[in-house]
Amino acid sequence: QSALAQPASVSGSPGQSITISCTGTSNDVGRYNFVSWYQQFPGKAPKVMIYGVSKRPSGISNRFSGSKSGNTASLTISGLRAEDEADYYCSSFTPSSTWVFGGGTRLTVL
Amino acid sequence: EVQLVESGGGLVQPGGSLRLSCATSGFTFSSYSLNWVRQAPGEGLEWIAYISSSGGTIYYADSVKGRFTISRDSAKNSLFLQMDSLRVEDTALYYCARVDKLGMLAFDNWGQGTLVTVSS
Repeated sequence: QSALAQPASVSGSPGQSITISCTGTSNDVGRYNFVSWYQQFPGKAPKVMIYGVSKRPSGISNRFSGSKSGNTASLTISGLRAEDEADYYCSSFTPSSTWVFGGGTRLTVL
Repeated sequence: EVQLVESGGGLVQPGGSLRLSCATSGFTFSSYSLNWVRQAPGEGLEWIAYISSSGGTIYYADSVKGRFTISRDSAKNSLFLQMDSLRVEDTALYYCARVDKLGMLAFDNWGQGTLVTVSS
């Protein structure tokens, strides 16, 4: 199972919106609505920000939203803040009853 | 408060073995499926093993299949990972992660990780 494809880096200015893409195949992202997104700060454990493609866990800001079209899922962060600067990973369940992660995207807030 | 605390990491020579533990608290252990996810230094996340709430269903990533064994002990509210035939490329921070109960197959809680270094 190959890793999901994410851009290595994205950047944006405070207040702007950015979108991180996560491209898989018809056997993972395209097949299931079991796509989740994780935020990770340096030296810290990942934290789930989006699950089930577009659902937000309790306590997660509504500035974070998720969507999916075909084999590509997306994470959008609106009203960008300095505190959003982190690494972001997508993940999908697969038909082999395994999980696959994306390679990760480093978000820089300019 | 949900807590997952990994331990057991360390330095081991190639071909050696190590047993990781993940002590949990703050939730009904027997109701949740659990996983091990690892992250090599400076690299991304890699899922490596899953065990169902009952322990009756187990899955592994191809990269560790036949070498690693996941298990759980409800009496100790703990998750384990027996790692044999270790390779240099197994060097990573190993996290235990809980699967959500909403059926969305997301990892809703993570430990802080335990570092495994495989080197001669």
